[in-house]
Amino acid sequence: GEQVEQLPSILRVQEGSSASINCSYEDSASNYFPWYKQEPGENPKLIIDIRSNMERKQIQELIVLLDKKAKRFSLHITDTQPGDSAMYFCAATGGNNKLTFGQGTVLSVIP
Amino acid sequence: DPKIIQKPKYLVAVTGSEKILICEQYLGHNAMYWYRQSAKKPLEFMFSYSYQKLMDNQTASSRFQPQSSKKNHLDLQITALKPDDSATYFCASSQVSGYAEQFFGPGTRLTVL
Repeated sequence: GEQVEQLPSILRVQEGSSASINCSYEDSASNYFPWYKQEPGENPKLIIDIRSNMERKQIQELIVLLDKKAKRFSLHITDTQPGDSAMYFCAATGGNNKLTFGQGTVLSVIP
Repeated sequence: DPKIIQKPKYLVAVTGSEKILICEQYLGHNAMYWYRQSAKKPLEFMFSYSYQKLMDNQTASSRFQPQSSKKNHLDLQITALKPDDSATYFCASSQVSGYAEQFFGPGTRLTVL
């Protein structure tokens, strides 16, 4: 089955700077890559996603990049704010819509 | 998401007992899923259902049995509970099965003593 590796596990950045989280996957058939944000005690919430027919997608301060050849995708948060502090998960899925998640990244934005 | 209801929010059980976790979604979705989150495995896929039919089962143990009485319901029955079953169980749903956005319910935090 699919395996997703996510790095780093912990990320601390200064408010206003950028934060980047990287993921890699194994199954070349995977074609949907969502990103979830999870705050303590809450459920994961979808924040942005990208499909395999795209290389880049941006929603406000969130940018996702997909390199299908390298089987890598990444999330970039520009101009980070304290409210961006949370756990972030990448995921990959194939045709059965089974989401395989990365191990998660704890992002701390330091004021 | 208030349109996905999971009950109860917290559940404490004793080893060897049986519990049912309830999930109902009012998003009009046709696919539903169960995931488990613990300190050992951050978010782990368990089951997927589409139009009330089992599509994928990644749970090795038969102690975990999903039950779908209605299209918008997918409950999870867990028998012979073990302390290792302690985790937060999330129900999720999507419009269809296959490359569709999944939305998660609030979760049921299960503690097995």
